[in-house]
Formats: sequence, C-alpha cells, structure tokens
Amino acid sequence: NAGVTQTPKFQVLKTGQSMTLQCAQDMNHEYMSWYRQDPGMGLRLIHYSVGAGITDQGEVPNGYNVSRSTTEDFPLRLLSAAPSQTSVYFCASSYSATTLNTEAFFGQGTRLTVV
Amino acid sequence: KQEVTQIPAALSVPEGENLVLNCSFTDSAIYNLQWFRQDPGKGLTSLLLIQSSQREQTSGRLNASLDKSSGRSTLYIAASQPGDSATYLCAVTNNAGNMLTFGGGTRLMVKP
Repeated sequence: NAGVTQTPKFQVLKTGQSMTLQCAQDMNHEYMSWYRQDPGMGLRLIHYSVGAGITDQGEVPNGYNVSRSTTEDFPLRLLSAAPSQTSVYFCASSYSATTLNTEAFFGQGTRLTVV
Repeated sequence: KQEVTQIPAALSVPEGENLVLNCSFTDSAIYNLQWFRQDPGKGLTSLLLIQSSQREQTSGRLNASLDKSSGRSTLYIAASQPGDSATYLCAVTNNAGNMLTFGGGTRLMVKP
C-alpha cells in the first residue's frame, strides 16, 4: 500500500507556463482534495472530489483546474503559473464520499516555485 | 466562515514533560475534528479523529478532547520525547462533511 503519492516533489516554473501536479492513491478512497500551504496562511483547500466525475471548488480555486476520471487519480492543473502560486501543494484522500468521517491521508507534498 | 486558531504558535519543553496544545474554532457546527502531525518537509499524518458526538480520543501517549459547544479542543501529550518534535495541526470538518479547515499549527520542540 503506497498510500497517497504525489509527483513531482519539486518543480520550478516560469511565469505563464502550465503544468500538472499528479496525485494517486491506492486505498480505493472516494474523497480526494488538494491544499496549498503557505507561511502565515496555513493549509487552504483548492479543489476537492467526492468520486470519479465529480469535482467542486474549495476556498482558493482561481488559477487551478481539476478533473477526476478515475477513483485513483486526481491531478491538479495550473493553467498559467503566477508567482503567487509559489507554495507547497498537498493532495489528501479519505474513505468516505458522503462525509469526511474517516481520517485523512496526505501525500508528501510538491514544492512549487514560480519565477 | 469557519476560523481555527491554535495557541501557542511555538512551544519548547524539556524531555519528559506533559504538555497541552490548544485549538479553538469559531463555528461549533462541525462534523468532526482531527489532529495531525507534520514533520519538516513532509506531509501530514493523522493522529486522532474525534467525532462531534465524542468528548475525547486516546492513542498511546496522546489524548485529544473536544468541547464542541465552546469551540475548543486540546491535545495532551504525556511524557514528551525528542521524537515528538514536529508541528501539530488541528482541523475541523464542516457540517456538510466535505471540507477541512486547518489551524495555523503549533511548532513543538522537545529538548533532550
């Protein structure tokens, strides 16, 4: 059981470039989500999904796109990178789709720098 | 909008001390509360999950309590060890059960 796997671990982008952060889980979890973690701001929810084909916006969705074509994968796309998107990104999953009534499992994070 | 606050932001204690970390939240309509541990450069690991109907949960040297009506939770760590050094975060789930709101964390250092 690998848990939640994020790739890449580190990335440097130029302003305006696009990229996809990958997230995969092998626990058959229905709920998956993306957070960004910034100093002084804590962890903030970007997007989440309660199952394949279903996504919704979190607190800070602007500039990001998601899709959920399979239960296992939940990629996060940066459409046109901006310096304000420099952050550490975490993917998380939990078992239940109807509630977060189970513990959340987090990936190791992707440290993104936009120059 | 739910706001979660953790006090203190940083704490340094000698090994062996019992300690309490505090978490408060502004909206008591929560589904559950989780305590996480984060080591530098790593992801978060769930330590304890308390349902809104529960008062406390225990795991080894950790005990978390929840007072939903007053919007407070505490994480008690008994007989602290240097290996407990990490950042501890609490997070509440909204009543719809689809969103976690995190506190800013308490950075704990346990000195040998």
